[in-house]
Amino acid sequence: QKEVEQDPGPLSVPEGAIVSLNCTYSNSAFQYFMWYRQYSRKGPELLMYTYSSGNKEDGRFTAQVDKSSKYISLFIRDSQPSDSATYLCAMSAYFNKFYFGSGTKLNVKP
Amino acid sequence: NAGVTQTPKFRVLKTGQSMTLLCAQDMNHEYMYWYRQDPGMGLRLIHYSVGEGTTAKGEVPDGYNVSRLKKQNFLLGLESAAPSQTSVYFCASSWVPRVVGPYYEQYFGPGTRLTVT
Repeated sequence: QKEVEQDPGPLSVPEGAIVSLNCTYSNSAFQYFMWYRQYSRKGPELLMYTYSSGNKEDGRFTAQVDKSSKYISLFIRDSQPSDSATYLCAMSAYFNKFYFGSGTKLNVKP
Repeated sequence: NAGVTQTPKFRVLKTGQSMTLLCAQDMNHEYMYWYRQDPGMGLRLIHYSVGEGTTAKGEVPDGYNVSRLKKQNFLLGLESAAPSQTSVYFCASSWVPRVVGPYYEQYFGPGTRLTVT
């Protein structure tokens, strides 16, 4: 069983839609949770970082962590064509090893 | 600042050949990582280093070796390349998370596309 599970998509939405991306995990020791955005043929770039449980908001992006359900989410409000990319969740227990989801490919249509 | 750079950007190897991938960072980061990315598999950690002269195995270390002789450089070696090592390789670096919680970021390089025939 993979440490982190993520639906690969692709997910296609119209411009302006609310997007919900999710990951589940099995290791209860994970306490650091991240979302990365990766454009085609580029390295991942950090979007959101959350420590432990709770919500975090940054502009149009909101990250949620539910440790009791071992479930994390990323919401994108008012999605834009420039948001079209692959979104990767990542998590870690002790910062020395990170476990990534397989990525969800998002396409926002104008 | 250049951030994290990787050399080379592309490479084609024949089975059994060897090569070294170079990662360099100019942010004075302590931690450095090597990942491989394959379709449907996400990023998987190969090896990592928490400081100059130290290295440790990640999730998929077999067939790879690493060295961190200088703080700014992290080398990934393939001694005898196999087709299963065809992948995109990413290097990343970060500072030591001295204060737990508030902020953390891992900076990634642009990747090296390796094909082994």
